[in-house]
Order: sequence, then C-alpha cells, then structure tokens
Amino acid sequence: NAGVTQTPKFQVLKTGQSMTLQCAQDMNHEYMSWYRQDPGMGLRLIHYSVGAGITDQGEVPNGYNVSRSTTEDFPLRLLSAAPSQTSVYFCASSYSSRRGKSGYTFGSGTRLTVV
Amino acid sequence: SQQGEEDPQALSIQEGENATMNCSYKTSINNLQWYRQNSGRGLVHLILIRSNEREKHSGRLRVTLDTSKKSSSLLITASRAADTASYFCATDRYYNQGGKLIFGQGTELSVKP
Repeated sequence: NAGVTQTPKFQVLKTGQSMTLQCAQDMNHEYMSWYRQDPGMGLRLIHYSVGAGITDQGEVPNGYNVSRSTTEDFPLRLLSAAPSQTSVYFCASSYSSRRGKSGYTFGSGTRLTVV
Repeated sequence: SQQGEEDPQALSIQEGENATMNCSYKTSINNLQWYRQNSGRGLVHLILIRSNEREKHSGRLRVTLDTSKKSSSLLITASRAADTASYFCATDRYYNQGGKLIFGQGTELSVKP
C-alpha cells in the first residue's frame, strides 16, 4: 500500500493563478481532510470529508474548494492564489467510526509558495 | 480557533532523560491523539486515547488524559536522539463526525546525544 499520496511536492504560483493539489489514498478510508501548516500556527483544518460525495468546511476554508467524487481521491483547489496561501499543505485519511477509531495517516505534504 | 494548547513550546534534554509534553483543550472530546513530525516531513500517528481512558502505553510512550481538567500529557521515557521532532496533540470531538481533527501548536523536542 502506498498510503496517502500528495502531488506535487513543491509548487510556486503567481498571485491570481489557480491550481489543484492532488491527494489519493489506497486504504479504503472513509474520512479525508486537508490541513495547512504555517510556522507557529500548528495545523489548521481547511476542508474535510466523511465519504464520497460529502464535504464540509473546516477552520480556514476561504479561497479553497474541494470535492470527493470517489473514496480514493480528495483534491484541493486554490481558486485564485494569494500570498497568504503560502504554506505547507497536508492531506490525511482515516477509517470511519463504524470501523473503530484510529489515528490518521498523513501524506508527505505539498510546499506551496505564492509570489 | 485551535483546540489545543501545548506546553512547553520547546524542550531540550539529554539522551536517556525523560521528556514530558502537555496539552490542554477547550471542549469535550471523543478521543485525543498524539502525532510526531520530523523536520520537513508529514505527521506520524503515535497513540490515541479515548475519553473514557485515563492512561495508555505504547513502547516508550505513556499518555494520560484528564477530562475534568481537559488536559493530556505525553511522556517519552529514555529518550534517544532519534526522538528529536515536533509533537502535536489533536482532538477528535465527535464519535461519528470524522475527518475533523483539531491540532495544538506543538512542542519542539530536541534530544542531544
């Protein structure tokens, strides 16, 4: 199993550009989430999903869109990149509560710089 | 706003010593989890403790949970240089609402050989 795969690992965008951060998991996990990590701020939840077709907003959703058309994939779209979105982005997945609570598996992150 | 506050923000110890990190949170929870992050890497799950548990062990890790004080601690015994990393607590509020971990700001642990 590959676990949680994030692509790309690094990206530089110009202000106003759009892009999609990809996240895929091969563990048949129902729950998936996107976080951003900024220095001194810890991880903050952007969007999350409890299953295919179901998404919801986290703490800092503005400027980001998500969709969950399959169990495996949970892409994060930046609509119009701003310098404030410069951050490291992590995708995570976990089993649903029905299968018992467990820890989350994290991807290795995407380091995004917006200039 | 973030759920957890971690203390201390940074901790430096010698190899072989014990390291204790504390986490406080604001709301009721279903479970609390601890994660490790090595520099420039993703987070790795260490241990999960449920709200009806008071203590849990995993190898050299010992986690306690006091729901009356809304606090948890992570103890790493006989620390090694390889334990150098940032450690985060994360709370999971609801049994049936997944994907919504709320993280603290982390403790940066440095273990000197």
